[in-house]
Amino acid sequence: GQQVMQIPQYQHVQEGEDFTTYCNSSTTLSNIQWYKQRPGGHPVFLIQLVKSGEVKKQKRLTFQFGEAKKNSSLHITATQTTDVGTYFCAGPGSNYQLIWGAGTKLIIKP
Amino acid sequence: SAVISQKPSRDICQRGTSLTIQCQVDSQVTMMFWYRQQPGQSLTLIATANQGSEATYESGFVIDKFPISRPNLTFSTLTVSNMSPEDSSIYLCSAMIQGLNTEAFFGQGTRLTVV
Repeated sequence: GQQVMQIPQYQHVQEGEDFTTYCNSSTTLSNIQWYKQRPGGHPVFLIQLVKSGEVKKQKRLTFQFGEAKKNSSLHITATQTTDVGTYFCAGPGSNYQLIWGAGTKLIIKP
Repeated sequence: SAVISQKPSRDICQRGTSLTIQCQVDSQVTMMFWYRQQPGQSLTLIATANQGSEATYESGFVIDKFPISRPNLTFSTLTVSNMSPEDSSIYLCSAMIQGLNTEAFFGQGTRLTVV
């Protein structure tokens, strides 16, 4: 069945360092969405990418959608403590549901 | 956008009993979903709650164990039946306003512990 792989599972960074998470789909996607889940919270929508090769920025966050519309990345520049959480990518499935990546947990080293 | 009120936020239940989780959306939505999430894990879809008809369950989930209702476009319930400790998890309801290619909104989650 359709799968969305996401790596790494965890990333430990010093505050101020950059963070990147990658998603790869087994099939071509019509779009890909990114969500953030804070510890103890629920997933919150960040952005949706639709076009091949699309790049979108939200302040220190940069989202990319691959040319083949099968992979995507989220890059955070100069991480802050407020960035802590788990970042998920998700692509549309065959019956209106979302297929979720495993998530990448961003941990700020003390 | 949509705001989803989910309750209870947490509960501790005895094995063999059942718990019903409710989700109320502040606007009419096309799609509603129920997920389970173990700590540190991704979201696992239990079922799609269909308005006025039986829910569509994912592989590994059955109606007898997780009966779902959706009487209208703003409300849904999930019951976890005949609970065992393996059912301890976080349960999340989710909604999409227009279905395909739109963002998902989530309730705050229900943290269930079965003892």
